[in-house]
Amino acid sequence: AQTVTQSQPEMSVQEAETVTLSCTYDTSESDYYLFWYKQPPSRQMILVIRQEAYKQQNATENRFSVNFQKAAKSFSLKISDSQLGDAAMYFCAYRNPNAGGTSYGKLTFGQGTILTVHP
Amino acid sequence: GAGVSQSPSNKVTEKGKDVELRCDPISGHTALYWYRQSLGQGLEFLIYFQGNSAPDKSGLPSDRFSAERTGGSVSTLTIQRTQQEDSAVYLCASSLNPGNTIYFGEGSWLTVV
Repeated sequence: AQTVTQSQPEMSVQEAETVTLSCTYDTSESDYYLFWYKQPPSRQMILVIRQEAYKQQNATENRFSVNFQKAAKSFSLKISDSQLGDAAMYFCAYRNPNAGGTSYGKLTFGQGTILTVHP
Repeated sequence: GAGVSQSPSNKVTEKGKDVELRCDPISGHTALYWYRQSLGQGLEFLIYFQGNSAPDKSGLPSDRFSAERTGGSVSTLTIQRTQQEDSAVYLCASSLNPGNTIYFGEGSWLTVV
């Protein structure tokens, strides 16, 4: 079974600085997707960024980028120029699109990292 | 609809009562997922629907939990004889098909007293 581990329960950053959130995962598959979701106090899970395992290039979305190390099974999220609105819980998630049948498309989540942004 | 809609937003119920939580996915989305999030914890998978069928019920924690989906759209998660450990946020999500991006609702916060 796939597992996702986020080893940092809490992180903090000063506004305008850069912070990196860690995520490791365990899988025997070669083709899969990885995601970072943001959950603010409103509870809405918002997709931040997505990485396909077959792509060597790291995904980037504006101030958000990832460092995807497939051999090491590591998928960290870097937030540049942090803003107060970035404060939230961040979840790393894994998805195997080829699980077939019963598990197709299911997301497996890490435990989350609470990010605090200081003005 | 524009997004995944869940109701009620908050529900307080007495131990032993039954509760129903509703999810209205994005129009046209065939895949629907229910997750549970206990206080300060990650998301625990409960059940997955493709259309009206549920190929994966592996996450339902006990036989007190059941879910159905009708017309390939609205889904209802039912918890019978609620217990205090059922207190959590129940999140629903949908995707156009199982391979596409999953979108979440804002959740239903259940408190069992």
